[in-house]
Amino acid sequence: QSVLTQPPSVSGAPGQRVTITCTGSSANIGAGNDVHWYQHLPGTAPKLLIYRNTNRPSGVPARFSGSKSGTSASLAISGLQAEDEADYYCQSYDRSLSGRGVFGGGTKLTVL
Amino acid sequence: EVQLVQSGAEVKKAGESLKISCKGSGYRFSSYWIGWVRQMPGKGLEWVGIIFPDDSETKYSPSFQGQATISVDRAINTAYLEWGALKSSDTAMYYCATRLGYCDGGTCFDFWGQGTLVTVSS
Repeated sequence: QSVLTQPPSVSGAPGQRVTITCTGSSANIGAGNDVHWYQHLPGTAPKLLIYRNTNRPSGVPARFSGSKSGTSASLAISGLQAEDEADYYCQSYDRSLSGRGVFGGGTKLTVL
Repeated sequence: EVQLVQSGAEVKKAGESLKISCKGSGYRFSSYWIGWVRQMPGKGLEWVGIIFPDDSETKYSPSFQGQATISVDRAINTAYLEWGALKSSDTAMYYCATRLGYCDGGTCFDFWGQGTLVTVSS
């Protein structure tokens, strides 16, 4: 059980917008630690999607955006495409883990 | 071009030892943190630990402290994850990843290896 909670699954039709939440506490996100997001397709290495809460690496479409407020963070994907079907993970640092990194439990995105 | 190339899949028995590797190229290996991430079958990603190759400073997640050892060989730009006595619960895909560019000075991983599948039978 991760200290960062994500919904196990979300879904949406092509073209729609979905949001994936990452809920933490005052020991991690609420302590001001950055939140990062990764996309993980089966059989491939995870890919950095959003870093430091809101920033997109070069090559990541603008359809992907990140936000953070209080003890939670969110990943929004607009204009859903079939290729977005993947697992998504948030990641931050946690004081209760001696300041080590932690991933959320992951969210499976299904494009209907 | 930055690359992290991991060693191949391993099949071991419980109680055996194992060392898997991750070779970096295309960047100054010693200057950037490199970490390990576990994914057990059907489960999510787990942060194992990280090492700074220049001085071998290492940080483990409490769940993994004492379970496996992270090390580096700077001469050959390679990081390792090692077990002294494997358990069936160590069966997982293990990824190495580093912090360059976007993640330098931060806490994310922006370059990843292809993964090493470790299978441990009892």
